[in-house]
Amino acid sequence: EAGVAQSPRYKIIEKRQSVAFWCNPISGHATLYWYQQILGQGPKLLIQFQNNGVVDDSQLPKDRFSAERLKGVDSTLKIQPAKLEDSAVYLCASSALRDRDADGYTFGSGTRLTVV
Amino acid sequence: AQTVTQSQPEMSVQEAETVTLSCTYDTSESNYYLFWYKQPPSRQMILVIRQEAYKQQNATENRFSVNFQKAAKSFSLKISDSQLGDTAMYFCAFMKRWYNNDMRFGAGTRLTVKP
Repeated sequence: EAGVAQSPRYKIIEKRQSVAFWCNPISGHATLYWYQQILGQGPKLLIQFQNNGVVDDSQLPKDRFSAERLKGVDSTLKIQPAKLEDSAVYLCASSALRDRDADGYTFGSGTRLTVV
Repeated sequence: AQTVTQSQPEMSVQEAETVTLSCTYDTSESNYYLFWYKQPPSRQMILVIRQEAYKQQNATENRFSVNFQKAAKSFSLKISDSQLGDTAMYFCAFMKRWYNNDMRFGAGTRLTVKP
């Protein structure tokens, strides 16, 4: 089966600009996650969707970050305006509800964002 | 709140030798899963091995095995017959069972396998 697709792979923007990341999960996976991984740290959850509903967005900086998952499939994560501290890798992951507890998640290759 | 601690930022091992990566966690839950993920330079997180907390038997996957000590809240990864392709960041992760909760990760250990 195809993996979790993410684009773009790299993005460089100036602070105060906006940026959007796209994720296409594995077909049939109900749950989708966005993680932020700052250099030298482990991934940290930003938002979790189940189908097209938000399950957990408690760690999402809502003044500048937003995310949506239309029709319960693809998802976009947006930052507006970006700050220097948003420089990180943004990882998308998905899981099938029935498999969630068994096999963890399937991750995409991430988008590396550099804010200058 | 659950926390995951990896106390070894970097480790190195000679090819064909054995190395052990450490992980401790803090939780009040009794049902949970523990994972080791590998992240090569390609950035994709790859599942290495998982352990169910209710199982006393340590998980093994080919050259990878864990030492799960539930009372001590310790979950170490042993890599036998290390190969150059094992060079990567390794993350320990915790996830509650039966809940729609996220996976909590440690800060990672950078493993270098030397020829």
